[in-house]
Amino acid sequence: DQQVKQNSPSLSVQEGRISILNCDYTNSMFDYFLWYKKYPAEGPTFLISISSIKDKNEDGRFTVFLNKSAKHLSLHIVPSQPGDSAVYFCAASAAAAGNKLTFGGGTRVLVKP
Amino acid sequence: DTEVTQTPKHLVMGMTNKKSLKCEQHMGHRAMYWYKQKAKKPPELMFVYSYEKLSINESVPSRFSPECPNSSLLNLHLHALQPEDSALYLCASSLLFRNQPQHFGDGTRLSIL
Repeated sequence: DQQVKQNSPSLSVQEGRISILNCDYTNSMFDYFLWYKKYPAEGPTFLISISSIKDKNEDGRFTVFLNKSAKHLSLHIVPSQPGDSAVYFCAASAAAAGNKLTFGGGTRVLVKP
Repeated sequence: DTEVTQTPKHLVMGMTNKKSLKCEQHMGHRAMYWYKQKAKKPPELMFVYSYEKLSINESVPSRFSPECPNSSLLNLHLHALQPEDSALYLCASSLLFRNQPQHFGDGTRLSIL
């Protein structure tokens, strides 16, 4: 049973435009959500997070939106740059589950120059 | 550059061998984690250590034996592995407070012959 889903396995976007990545979850106990970026042959790099008491968090070009009623979060990257080409994972955790991260399946982003 | 260091980067071993994976961090994090990632799949949690004590074991087979000798080091001892254990093994660490991101190393690519 996949508790965190990223329904788009890939996304192609032009340099300078907005990239929007989506993530859905089913476990209502999740209260902390994160986005990670992964290049080949490297470990996941933490990008941005949001707790369930907020609906938006922004850090530079990255903004995460959380819709708790829809159990949906999204990551906006604007403007997209060629160096953003990577696999992006959303992840979720529940305080009651002791920091255990549950990952989505990932979305491969290609930013075209 | 990652602040979580994993060695070795690559490891090839036979099914009868005994080997160990090592992970080190100097960020003062008191939670450390082992994840397993198969190709084109998200990371899956194996073990969690909190204050050098094993707090979560995700029903991992006993041929994987974790050890946390001090607050900076995490080992994963391997014995009698199977070919299906070939994967990328990722170590992560985090602060133990609520809603803290986990920071990953670049992983050890393990191949079982």
